[in-house]
Amino acid sequence: SQTIHQWPATLVQPVGSPLSLECTVEGTSNPNLYWYRQAAGRGLQLLFYSVGIGQISSEVPQNLSASRPQDRQFILSSKKLLLSDSGFYLCAWSGATGLFEAFFGQGTRLTVV
Amino acid sequence: GQQVMQIPQYQHVQEGEDFTTYCNSSTTLSNIQWYKQRPGGHPVFLIQLVKSGEVKKQKRLTFQFGEAKKNSSLHITATQTTDVGTYFCAGQRGANNLFFGTGTRLTVIP
Repeated sequence: SQTIHQWPATLVQPVGSPLSLECTVEGTSNPNLYWYRQAAGRGLQLLFYSVGIGQISSEVPQNLSASRPQDRQFILSSKKLLLSDSGFYLCAWSGATGLFEAFFGQGTRLTVV
Repeated sequence: GQQVMQIPQYQHVQEGEDFTTYCNSSTTLSNIQWYKQRPGGHPVFLIQLVKSGEVKKQKRLTFQFGEAKKNSSLHITATQTTDVGTYFCAGQRGANNLFFGTGTRLTVIP
């Protein structure tokens, strides 16, 4: 069966520090991968999606970047965090054909102080 | 960019009352999905609608996809406290990106 791992679960980082959140998927090949951010009590904002290794589409200009070094690995990064980067970050995967149901990781709650 | 709006943003209902959330897209969608996020949790898939005018039911939940494939609704009959959470629609235009609506947070008062 397919599983998705996202870590860490919580993170407190000072302003100006770097960020690296990792997400890995097991049990499927060539998934579509997504990074979303959810501000407190708000909706899900699509940050990046990827349809294959090295292929990243950015949906909003921001202080963040994403990379997909392997088929089932998706990394969200920042060189210098801002206070506004605080939020709940969710990684998700879906199949590339047929039912496009998205499966979410447990999320990372990031607080920038 | 693609936008998917949901109304209302919040809804408080007495247990046993019905609840409906509406989803509208600025562009035609290839399919629409609905998710439920419990407080403190991550979104969990409920259903996908693909065909124009499609209606699907899951027990007390009824999902509709508009004829123009730009809007959708989720209706819950006789809400229960277990229905508490935020309901999101998510639309796809093409096969890759997946844009979520702004969500409707449902509170059920016992």
